[in-house]
Amino acid sequence: GENVEQHPSTLSVQEGDSAVIKCTYSDSASNYFPWYKQELGKRPQLIIDIRSNVGEKKDQRIAVTLNKTAKHFSLHITETQPEDSAVYFCAASMALGAAGNKLTFGGGTRVLVKP
Amino acid sequence: DTEVTQTPKHLVMGMTNKKSLKCEQHMGHRAMYWYKQKAKKPPELMFVYSYEKLSINESVPSRFSPECPNSSLLNLHLHALQPEDSALYLCASSQAGSLNQPQHFGDGTRLSIL
Repeated sequence: GENVEQHPSTLSVQEGDSAVIKCTYSDSASNYFPWYKQELGKRPQLIIDIRSNVGEKKDQRIAVTLNKTAKHFSLHITETQPEDSAVYFCAASMALGAAGNKLTFGGGTRVLVKP
Repeated sequence: DTEVTQTPKHLVMGMTNKKSLKCEQHMGHRAMYWYKQKAKKPPELMFVYSYEKLSINESVPSRFSPECPNSSLLNLHLHALQPEDSALYLCASSQAGSLNQPQHFGDGTRLSIL
């Protein structure tokens, strides 16, 4: 089955600096890579996603890059703000047709943005 | 706004009790999912329903019994649970089909087994 590794497990940055989280996946059949943000006691919230036919995607301060050959993808947050503090999960997914899709999550990165 | 609604938010039950977790969505999604999340860990997939039929069971113990009565509702029936089953249970939904679609999560039910 799919295995997703995520690094680092914790990340402390100064407000205004950039944060980068990296993930690797094992199954070349995976073709969809979402990122979720989970604040304490809250639900995972989709913040950005990328499909395997795209190398980079950006949404305001958040960007994701994908290297299919190396099987790794990264999340970049620029100009970090205290409200960016949360646990971030990467995930890899393969579509199962009418059966839905199966997400495998990385271990998570706890991001702390210090004012 | 949470478009996937889970009830109850908290549940405490003994090992001999029977209870059910409920999940509802009105986004027209035809795929629904149950995940289990332990503290400081990522969500782990338990079940996938697609078009109201069980399509994936990730070798979950039979003390967890899922049910999808219609395209908007997903239940998880609990019986004879163990203390290690204490966790946050998350429901999610997505469009179904050949292309991967984003999964939207509910706020979860925090379950404690005494």
